[in-house]
Amino acid sequence: QQQVKQSPQSLIVQKGGISIINCAYENTAFDYFPWYQQFPGKGPALLIAIRPDVSEKKEGRFTISFNKSAKQFSLHIMDSQPGDSATYFCAARGDTGFQKLVFGTGTRLLVSP
Amino acid sequence: SAVISQKPSRDICQRGTSLTIQCQVDSQVTMMFWYRQQPGQSLTLIATANQGSEATYESGFVIDKFPISRPNLTFSTLTVSNMSPEDSSIYLCSVTGGNTEAFFGQGTRLTVV
Repeated sequence: QQQVKQSPQSLIVQKGGISIINCAYENTAFDYFPWYQQFPGKGPALLIAIRPDVSEKKEGRFTISFNKSAKQFSLHIMDSQPGDSATYFCAARGDTGFQKLVFGTGTRLLVSP
Repeated sequence: SAVISQKPSRDICQRGTSLTIQCQVDSQVTMMFWYRQQPGQSLTLIATANQGSEATYESGFVIDKFPISRPNLTFSTLTVSNMSPEDSSIYLCSVTGGNTEAFFGQGTRLTVV
């Protein structure tokens, strides 16, 4: 019940295309859903996060879509650029910062020029 | 956002030895988390460290192998003891910011030979 399932494992998108990464969870106590971007040799960097009281959150080219009833959320990267090539992790946690994050398995995104 | 500094950034160690990783945060935080990221894998929580109390370890991780100190609200150390090649991983320190967002250090890349 603590798992967060992430797909696909890897993704190749052409420059200018839309990258879509999906995650699903089981624990209905999860109340905070962040996405992290990780470049090789670096720690994960918080990209965007959503709480279940909204169905969508957009920041620049990055959008999270959230479906509470289906217990799914996804990251959309519009106008994908080669600089977006990285590994993306979804995560989930209870409402407070005192609770641990549960991470998805990661998606390796490659944006071809 | 919190700025997290980890030392060392990388190290190559002999099996049977121990390495202590330091995590320094630029602001006072209640909770600090230590993660392990094996090559090409997702993040796995090792333990949660509260200032002034014993760390709480996740299943599969024990204090004798991964002792943690948390002497104040801005600093923590993780020791990887009696290392074997299986301990070769990236070790990451994480803290929760004021908005309950979780931030990560750059990580310590450990290779055990």
